[in-house]
Amino acid sequence: GDSVTQMEGPVTLSEEAFLTINCTYTATGYPSLFWYVQYPGEGLQLLLKATKADDKGSNKGFEATYRKETTSFHLEKGSVQVSDSAVYFCALSDPDTGNQFYFGTGTSLTVIP
Amino acid sequence: DTGVSQNPRHKITKRGQNVTFRCDPISEHNRLYWYRQTLGQGPEFLTYFQNEAQLEKSRLLSDRFSAERPKGSFSTLEIQRTEQGDSAMYLCASSLGDRGQQETQYFGPGTRLLVL
Repeated sequence: GDSVTQMEGPVTLSEEAFLTINCTYTATGYPSLFWYVQYPGEGLQLLLKATKADDKGSNKGFEATYRKETTSFHLEKGSVQVSDSAVYFCALSDPDTGNQFYFGTGTSLTVIP
Repeated sequence: DTGVSQNPRHKITKRGQNVTFRCDPISEHNRLYWYRQTLGQGPEFLTYFQNEAQLEKSRLLSDRFSAERPKGSFSTLEIQRTEQGDSAMYLCASSLGDRGQQETQYFGPGTRLLVL
């Protein structure tokens, strides 16, 4: 069945460091891929998405490229800020298996000044 | 712009009691989803409505759980005879989409349930 495997955390980085959070997926069809972010005390917010192979999603300096050959959708940011501290969730939606989202377990990021 | 709202935000109850949660989706969204999230895990799908029709239900949704969306707008999730294992964050999401279309889901802040 469909699933998402996400890099385990927690991750602690210094401000302005480079961030990579790995995400790989298994899907029967042609899924859309998403990154959601959950700031402390808040709900899940869409960070970026990609709907087909080789698409790159980007937002707020974050990027992720849909790689069908490696079934991956790794999240990257060139220079993190303290305000990026949050939990990041990779997710997929596969119309061949219904409309639900499949989420990874989340990666907690803490950025220290 | 009004997002997805959920009430209550927190609920503490004793084992065996019934609880009901409400979700108000973004007004023009025809699809509504319920998820459950436990500590350290990602959200897990429970059920999905397209307008007022409940189209999918997870095997996670035991007979004690029931969800409704009577007029295709707000939805309620009821848990009967709560158990300690029901303690979790219950998330609602909504989206606008057609058959076969992959759409973005927008999440509410969640209702945190603690069963004592």
